[in-house]
Amino acid sequence: SAVISQKPSRDICQRGTSLTIQCQVDSQVTMMFWYRQQPGQSLTLIATANQGSEATYESGFVIDKFPISRPNLTFSTLTVSNMSPEDSSIYLCSVEDLGGDGYTFGSGTRLTVV
Amino acid sequence: AQSVTQLDSQVPVFEEAPVELRCNYSSSVSVYLFWYVQYPNQGLQLLLKYLSGSTLVESINGFEAEFNKSQTSFHLRKPSVHISDTAEYFCAVIKAAGNKLTFGGGTRVLVKP
Repeated sequence: SAVISQKPSRDICQRGTSLTIQCQVDSQVTMMFWYRQQPGQSLTLIATANQGSEATYESGFVIDKFPISRPNLTFSTLTVSNMSPEDSSIYLCSVEDLGGDGYTFGSGTRLTVV
Repeated sequence: AQSVTQLDSQVPVFEEAPVELRCNYSSSVSVYLFWYVQYPNQGLQLLLKYLSGSTLVESINGFEAEFNKSQTSFHLRKPSVHISDTAEYFCAVIKAAGNKLTFGGGTRVLVKP
């Protein structure tokens, strides 16, 4: 299975600021996925990031709020912009494991906006 | 689009008792099914998956799940739980030709001594 390093693991941020979350994979992958897990809830896909093209956002998520970069096949960032307390969530990146193990997830970034 | 329903949001269970977590899905095409576990303050770990072949799949820590196409279900079971099984469990589905996981709402399992 792929190994994902995600950082920061947690952060407390002031409203109105932005936070960039990094996701590093130990192998080259075509697609990387960003999810949000709001408190006590399930995971919701934010966007799919392909190297060399714009990310594809799911309904309810927009690029201005969640800009994504994908500069190469092993790395991606998600920025949570102009944060409000409603953005307090766990954000996770994920990749498809070509070894057939399904999808591997990073350990998540626990964000609290105050 | 596919959807996943986990019928129980919380399941309290005593140690060494059996547990079943129910998962039903809806899809007009063939799907692959997964169970993920999230231990307190940790990320998601793949517990087991159904891609094809035998409809009964097992994990290394005693969990098993059975794919039932006619009932569109993928229930997770363990005959005897341990305190360490306390976690949240997520059922997920993906189209066989797709790449986007859809998650159920999760089931929180609390194992009591």
